[in-house]
Amino acid sequence: QSVLTQPPSVSAAPGQEVTISCSGSSSNIGNNYVSWFQQLPGTAPKLLIYDNNKRPSGIPDRFSGSKSGTSATLGITGLQTGDEADYYCGTWDRSLSAGVFGGGTKLTVL
Amino acid sequence: EVQLVESGGGLVKPGGSLRLSCAASGFTFSSSTMGWVRQAPDKGLEWVSSISNSGSYIYYGDSVKGRFTISRDNAKNSLSLQMNSLRAEDTAVYYCATIRSNFVHTTNFDYWGQGTLVTVSS
Repeated sequence: QSVLTQPPSVSAAPGQEVTISCSGSSSNIGNNYVSWFQQLPGTAPKLLIYDNNKRPSGIPDRFSGSKSGTSATLGITGLQTGDEADYYCGTWDRSLSAGVFGGGTKLTVL
Repeated sequence: EVQLVESGGGLVKPGGSLRLSCAASGFTFSSSTMGWVRQAPDKGLEWVSSISNSGSYIYYGDSVKGRFTISRDNAKNSLSLQMNSLRAEDTAVYYCATIRSNFVHTTNFDYWGQGTLVTVSS
């Protein structure tokens, strides 16, 4: 059971938009920055979003992050088949004094 | 170009020990906060441990606390994870990663290695 809750799967058609939610509590998302990662099959995770809504260089602006209260959201517009991957949210938990991740969301681009 | 190359994984019996290493290049290692993240087969990501650039601040996940020790050698651009009293549930791919922050209290894992597989089985 992960500290952060994500939907197991989401799907949408190419060109469409999708959002992935990440729910936590005041000890984690509510008081810390959220990161988002993309993991393509058989590869290491890649940082997509850090500090809630910032994109590292090289990450297209199709990817966006937001946070409200104890929840965060990853948005992906203009879906491409290459976006099919597992997506994870992560943050620091003050009560645990530990990093925590969501269980991951599998994105299918139909 | 940032490169992180893990080594030291393999098959070990329950109760045994293993030492993972991560060779870093392409960035100023001594200024970088670092961490280890693992992923059990067909499972999600699990944060293991993080260490500040000087090594003064270290944190561990509850599942490894007291058994694993993270360390770094800034002179050799190397990060290590000493794993003792290994259990079957420690079986996973272990990734070394840089942290995009001066602080340890974050999961802004910026650059990742390719991972090294640790299998704990009799």
